[in-house]
Amino acid sequence: QLQLQESGSGLVKPSQTLSLTCAVSGGSISSGGYSWSWIRQPPGKGLEWIGYIYHSGSTYYNPSLKSRVTISVDRSKNQFSLKLSSVTAADTAVYYCASGYYTIFGVALDYWGQGTLVTVSS
Amino acid sequence: AIQLTQSPSSLSASVGDRVTITCRASQGISSALAWYQQKPGKAPKLLIYDASSLESGVPSRFSGSGSGTDFTLTISSLQPEDFATYYCQQFNSYLLTFGGGTKVEIK
Repeated sequence: QLQLQESGSGLVKPSQTLSLTCAVSGGSISSGGYSWSWIRQPPGKGLEWIGYIYHSGSTYYNPSLKSRVTISVDRSKNQFSLKLSSVTAADTAVYYCASGYYTIFGVALDYWGQGTLVTVSS
Repeated sequence: AIQLTQSPSSLSASVGDRVTITCRASQGISSALAWYQQKPGKAPKLLIYDASSLESGVPSRFSGSGSGTDFTLTISSLQPEDFATYYCQQFNSYLLTFGGGTKVEIK
């Protein structure tokens, strides 16, 4: 079974770029039929989907974040990454990575990392 | 973008109760809906996909129904470990959206 682990800076200054990596073990990130997502959750609030990268390399982003988000894959390291630019305090959240498999009708996020808290503060 | 509205936002129930949570989509999404359970400090856990398909290993007291715009998650007999927050999630035109969540608390 897959295991996902987020890593990256836990403190980012306003206007800078947030960078996180998700290491995948127990399977190949190049496996067909899978996508690799980032989701975040501000303290005490609900889940917000950020975007995903398909095994082919195609990316899809939340329209509300699209101008600031880049998701990429490093197949040699079996990991994928998130960059979120021009951050503000509103970007403070627990960031999760997750794998998504394609079902008959949609996508289900079946494996999740434990989450990592990123705080935006000077 | 499609929006998901969950109701209620919170509820109180007792062990053994039947609990129903509703998720309404702002436009039709066929059966492209999943349900997740999240406990404090933990990542969400997939319960249901394609509106009514039970994820492997999830107890059969959880069930989902609906299609188009209206969906429900039902817990047939609430257990102590079921007190948590539940989220619906849709997939349409390559984009995902989560509902606002429903917190199930102990009465």
